[in-house]
Amino acid sequence: KQEVTQIPAALSVPEGENLVLNCSFTDSAIYNLQWFRQDPGKGLTSLLLIQSSQREQTSGRLNASLDKSSGRSTLYIAASQPGDSATYLCAVRGSQGNLIFGKGTKLSVKP
Amino acid sequence: NAGVTQTPKFQVLKTGQSMTLQCAQDMNHEYMSWYRQDPGMGLRLIHYSVGAGITDQGEVPNGYNVSRSTTEDFPLRLLSAAPSQTSVYFCASSSRALRAGNTIYFGEGSWLTVV
Repeated sequence: KQEVTQIPAALSVPEGENLVLNCSFTDSAIYNLQWFRQDPGKGLTSLLLIQSSQREQTSGRLNASLDKSSGRSTLYIAASQPGDSATYLCAVRGSQGNLIFGKGTKLSVKP
Repeated sequence: NAGVTQTPKFQVLKTGQSMTLQCAQDMNHEYMSWYRQDPGMGLRLIHYSVGAGITDQGEVPNGYNVSRSTTEDFPLRLLSAAPSQTSVYFCASSSRALRAGNTIYFGEGSWLTVV
């Protein structure tokens, strides 16, 4: 059974710092991996999707990498801003086509 | 383009009552799903559908029913509400069956409290 783990569970950093969020999964036979952002009281917004054949994806200050063989992905956020404060979720697509989520990393960026 | 719309946003139920959470999408997506999100548990899949007339169970289907009579709508029915069903419910949709490269879109959530 696929399991997704995110470390750390919570992170507090000063504004301007570069940071890395980690995601690991137990079954390397994935179709893709997706990073989401969730603001309090809101739904999930897709940030980046990495296909199984890809190593990384970039969008603005965000860069996500994928190492299927080791079952790991990282989300790198450059020059963090208070507006980046949110919970970040990673999810992998399982064999049935459904997403399996980690429990998230709650990020707080202090001005 | 409304995306994925869920109603109601907030609901309080008494134990044993039934209700339906509505989900509609206007993106002509074949794939739709329902998740529940609980503190410390993350998001867990309740039911999903890969097209009109086709539904299947996810990780936590007990106590819930779904139907998919149209491409646009995917209602979630609580048959006899229990306090353990207090949660935040999210509906999501995607084109095809989540093939590589297809982003999944989420509704804003429905907060359900069962007393």
